[in-house]
Amino acid sequence: SQQGEEDPQALSIQEGENATMNCSYKTSINNLQWYRQNSGRGLVHLILIRSNEREKHSGRLRVTLDTSKKSSSLLITASRAADTASYFCATDYNRGSTLGRLYFGRGTQLTVWP
Amino acid sequence: EAQVTQNPRYLITVTGKKLTVTCSQNMNHEYMSWYRQDPGLGLRQIYYSMNVEVTDKGDVPEGYKVSRKEKRNFPLILESPSPNQTSLYFCASSLSRGQYEQYFGPGTRLTVT
Repeated sequence: SQQGEEDPQALSIQEGENATMNCSYKTSINNLQWYRQNSGRGLVHLILIRSNEREKHSGRLRVTLDTSKKSSSLLITASRAADTASYFCATDYNRGSTLGRLYFGRGTQLTVWP
Repeated sequence: EAQVTQNPRYLITVTGKKLTVTCSQNMNHEYMSWYRQDPGLGLRQIYYSMNVEVTDKGDVPEGYKVSRKEKRNFPLILESPSPNQTSLYFCASSLSRGQYEQYFGPGTRLTVT
């Protein structure tokens, strides 16, 4: 499979705590993206990090990328109940004749308790 | 408002009865794609289209057909649905090629009995 793999599968925290999710992938990539999905709804793009970038911020989100370890992490600081959702990483594998497809992992289910 | 729309949102049908799920985007995107989402399996790509009249298979194309006659529309056709096609389906579009930010529709929940 060319999917990225998120870890953990499920995460449960209290409001105000930080949430960290990890993603590992198998081959070289052009970029890695994180998406959020509220239960049964469409995915929403959160952040894209390119293979030559190491860290990116967007509001309370911080994404890191370590291409040597083929891994990425998504940190949500000061979490809120409204952050409860599934989070997916998606990778665009850097193939010689890339068709520009995205491969999604199975996701991390984050639950934030008030 | 920039968006991807899908219809219907919910559909219950019987085995073998042909159906079409429509997808439309108003962002002038070149790239469009269909995914299915099943518990424990994440999102799997069914078909994608790089531009008008250009379509290609994803990871799970069996039992599905698509067409891209206009830039904005990318319908998903199930010629003879079977129970194993019961799933949550998403259409997505992207400005150019799939590696950029993808915009997702709200999903179509299909049940085949």
